[in-house]
Amino acid sequence: AQSVTQPDIHITVSEGASLELRCNYSYGATPYLFWYVQSPGQGLQLLLKYFSGDTLVQGIKGFEAEFKRSQSSFNLRKPSVHWSDAAEYFCAVGSNTGKLIFGQGTTLQVKP
Amino acid sequence: EAGVVQSPRYKIIEKKQPVAFWCNPISGHNTLYWYLQNLGQGPELLIRYENEEAVDDSQLPKDRFSAERLKGVDSTLKIQPAELGDSAVYLCASSLEWDNEQFFGPGTRLTVL
Repeated sequence: AQSVTQPDIHITVSEGASLELRCNYSYGATPYLFWYVQSPGQGLQLLLKYFSGDTLVQGIKGFEAEFKRSQSSFNLRKPSVHWSDAAEYFCAVGSNTGKLIFGQGTTLQVKP
Repeated sequence: EAGVVQSPRYKIIEKKQPVAFWCNPISGHNTLYWYLQNLGQGPELLIRYENEEAVDDSQLPKDRFSAERLKGVDSTLKIQPAELGDSAVYLCASSLEWDNEQFFGPGTRLTVL
């Protein structure tokens, strides 16, 4: 069965520090992978996606993610976090029927 | 370009009452999704429409939930009767086709007392 695990429920980083949010997936075929961000009271916004090709994917707001098939991972990274990055981050895997399976999310807190 | 519109944004009802949520997808998007998001969890798909046809409703609790997408544009999700456990955020999303990026609305936060 398809599943997504985000091992870290809550992460706190200092402003300006680097960030890595972990995501592990379980999927039988080549996955479509996504990272979404959700600010309080807002809908989900797509940060980046991986369908095929280059395993290092660039997204909006300075985020990137790397697909590692051998580790079944799709970790999100940012070299320098801004206070406005505080939000909830969701990793998702998409099936070949268009259904998205989301992880339970990681809440990012940014210290000044 | 307007995004996905949902209304109401917030709804408080007593248990056993009916409730309905409305979604207007991005113009031209053929695929529409309803997701349920419980507190501290990721969204879970309830139903997916391709135009006016529900092509995946396997996760929709059909004893109390119903949905429709007349004319393949707007959609309504209904709960009757609502239970305490239905308190959650109901998200609507749309995409051009099923394999394209999904755009999410702001959601409707339902509280059942």
